[in-house]
Amino acid sequence: GQQVMQIPQYQHVQEGEDFTTYCNSSTTLSNIQWYKQRPGGHPVFLIQLVKSGEVKKQKRLTFQFGEAKKNSSLHITATQTTDVGTYFCAPPRGSTLGRLYFGRGTQLTVWP
Amino acid sequence: SQTIHQWPATLVQPVGSPLSLECTVEGTSNPNLYWYRQAAGRGLQLLFYSVGIGQISSEVPQNLSASRPQDRQFILSSKKLLLSDSGFYLCAWSVSGGAIEQFFGPGTRLTVL
Repeated sequence: GQQVMQIPQYQHVQEGEDFTTYCNSSTTLSNIQWYKQRPGGHPVFLIQLVKSGEVKKQKRLTFQFGEAKKNSSLHITATQTTDVGTYFCAPPRGSTLGRLYFGRGTQLTVWP
Repeated sequence: SQTIHQWPATLVQPVGSPLSLECTVEGTSNPNLYWYRQAAGRGLQLLFYSVGIGQISSEVPQNLSASRPQDRQFILSSKKLLLSDSGFYLCAWSVSGGAIEQFFGPGTRLTVL
């Protein structure tokens, strides 16, 4: 069956340092979404990647989808305290449209 | 614009008591609806999803149930709560038929004592 792993589980950085989280799947993905959950809050959609090798940027955030569509990454340049939270990759879960798999995510802490 | 409501925001219940959490969506029709649970420091576990009125799919066996009595209303219930039911319960919706983003409600933090 489908296996998805996101690493690292925790990351602590000094403000201004870069941060990267990786999502790896055992199977080819049709697409992948990324969400951010602030402490005490609910997940909020960030982006969806669909094409092989796709790279999308949102200000300091860079999202990549691997050529084989089995892995994805989120890179934050020069982290700020507002980046604190848990970042989830969310590939499709099974064949039913709309169902997503959310793992444990990567919990990012940024020290001022 | 679309909005999603969940209540209550927090709930403390004794073991063995019943549970009813409600989620409603405004500004859209025939959405897909989802119930997730997030234990402390854990990921989001999909509990139920629904593609239409009265259509409920369960992801994991448990003592919880879900119902969708109206198009934009999704209810999570239990007849007898267990300690392990404690967690953060999130309702979400998405446009039906597409692999697009899910919109989450503010969540209900449930503590079972």
